[in-house]
Amino acid sequence: QKEVEQNSGPLSVPEGAIASLNCTYSDRGSQSFFWYRQYSGKSPELIMSIYSNGDKEDGRFTAQLNKASQYVSLLIRDSQPSDSATYLCASGENYGQNFVFGPGTRLSVLP
Amino acid sequence: DVKVTQSSRYLVKRTGEKVFLECVQDMDHENMFWYRQDPGLGLRLIYFSYDVKMKEKGDIPEGYSVSREKKERFSLILESASTNQTSMYLCASSLISVDEQFFGPGTRLTVL
Repeated sequence: QKEVEQNSGPLSVPEGAIASLNCTYSDRGSQSFFWYRQYSGKSPELIMSIYSNGDKEDGRFTAQLNKASQYVSLLIRDSQPSDSATYLCASGENYGQNFVFGPGTRLSVLP
Repeated sequence: DVKVTQSSRYLVKRTGEKVFLECVQDMDHENMFWYRQDPGLGLRLIYFSYDVKMKEKGDIPEGYSVSREKKERFSLILESASTNQTSMYLCASSLISVDEQFFGPGTRLTVL
C-alpha cells in the first residue's frame, strides 16, 4: 500500500513566524509532489508543486524535496492568520499511475 | 481559468434512495476522480476514470458506481443510500493521472 504520511497536528505558530510542514512517502517511484491547502468546509486548492530535488519558492511558500530521504516539506514564511487551514501533501507515481494524498496537517496561526 | 463544478453544494436524502452526484470540468482533462472526505479519515478515493466510458475502482468503491459518458462529465451514483454514506464528496480532474488535480467545491451529502 503506497502511503503518504503527515503529522495531523494541530501545528500552532505565532503570526509572523515560519511554519514548517512535513510529509514522507513510501513509494520510491513517486515523481511528482503537491501541497494543497484546505480551509474548513471548502475543497482543497493547489498551492505548490515540486518535481526535482531541492527547493522551489513561490512568494511566502517554499517547497523542499529530498527523494533520497523520501521527504517533502512546505515552509510558510511570515505566517498569517489567513494561513490557518489543513495542508495536504500528495504524490504522483508514473508507473502505476497512482496519486496518493496524505491525511493532512492542521495549521493554526495565532494573532 | 480552470473550473470543476458539482451539481449541488448540499443534499439531503433518505435511506434507500438512489442518489446522483454530477461533476463537470471545462479543462478537457482526461482523468476525473471521486473522493469522499470524513473527519479524521482524510481523502479516500472512490472511483476514477481515465477516459470516456472507462472506470477504475479506488480504495472504497463498495456501495457506489460511476458513469462517464462524455469527457467533461463524471457522475457518482449511490444505488441505495445508507446513513454511513453521509459525507463530503469531492470531484477532481487532472490532465494526466499523476499531475495536479483540480477540485470542485464539494457536495455535502446527508442521508437520513
